[in-house]
Amino acid sequence: QLQLQESGPGLVPPSETLSLTCAVSGVSIDGSDYYWGWMRQTPGKGLEWIGSVYFTGKSYYHPSHKGRVNISVDTSNNQFSLEVPSVTAADTADYYCVRVAGAYSPVNWFDPWGQGILVTVSS
Amino acid sequence: EIVLTQSPGTLSSSPGERVTLSCRASEFVITKNLAWYQQKRGQAPRLLIFGASTRATGIPDRFSGSGSGTDFTLTIDGLEPEDFAVYFCQQYGTSPITFGQGTKLDIK
Repeated sequence: QLQLQESGPGLVPPSETLSLTCAVSGVSIDGSDYYWGWMRQTPGKGLEWIGSVYFTGKSYYHPSHKGRVNISVDTSNNQFSLEVPSVTAADTADYYCVRVAGAYSPVNWFDPWGQGILVTVSS
Repeated sequence: EIVLTQSPGTLSSSPGERVTLSCRASEFVITKNLAWYQQKRGQAPRLLIFGASTRATGIPDRFSGSGSGTDFTLTIDGLEPEDFAVYFCQQYGTSPITFGQGTKLDIK
């Protein structure tokens, strides 16, 4: 059964880099037909797609995050990661990793979701 | 980007009743590329419907989706106690992917 699990620090000081990892179990990312993605959710902006990555490393980003965030894949450890540099309070959110449903598509519906991790930007 | 507006913001209902949630798009949603999710307090969203009307694996048939173009609905026919949650719609036909702000379904 496919499962995703986020990990990383729950508290990040302003101007530092937010780094999260999503461990995938039940299926191998390497050679998978699917993209893998990151989402975040805040009370103010709601649910937001950040970006998606393929096992080759090819990635797509929401225009508002492109040029700032980086999503990478580590097939040897069957995981993928999110890095958000120079964080501010606006980056405080629940972050979720997801599989992008539908083969070969970086944008689609999302299933399943990881349980999520709350990241607070504060000193 | 396509803006999805969900209504009502909050809906109060009782177990056993039938409810309809609305999701209206600011632009045409290509090929019915719309999904619905359920989110319970403290949990991640769970996929209910994709392709506007196809139930995801394991989703009970009391959940149904319909619509096309700019107007979509999620109907729950015969509410169960576990159905009281927040529901989101999402379009994936035009990048960037966007979500509605959610409809909270609570117990009357």
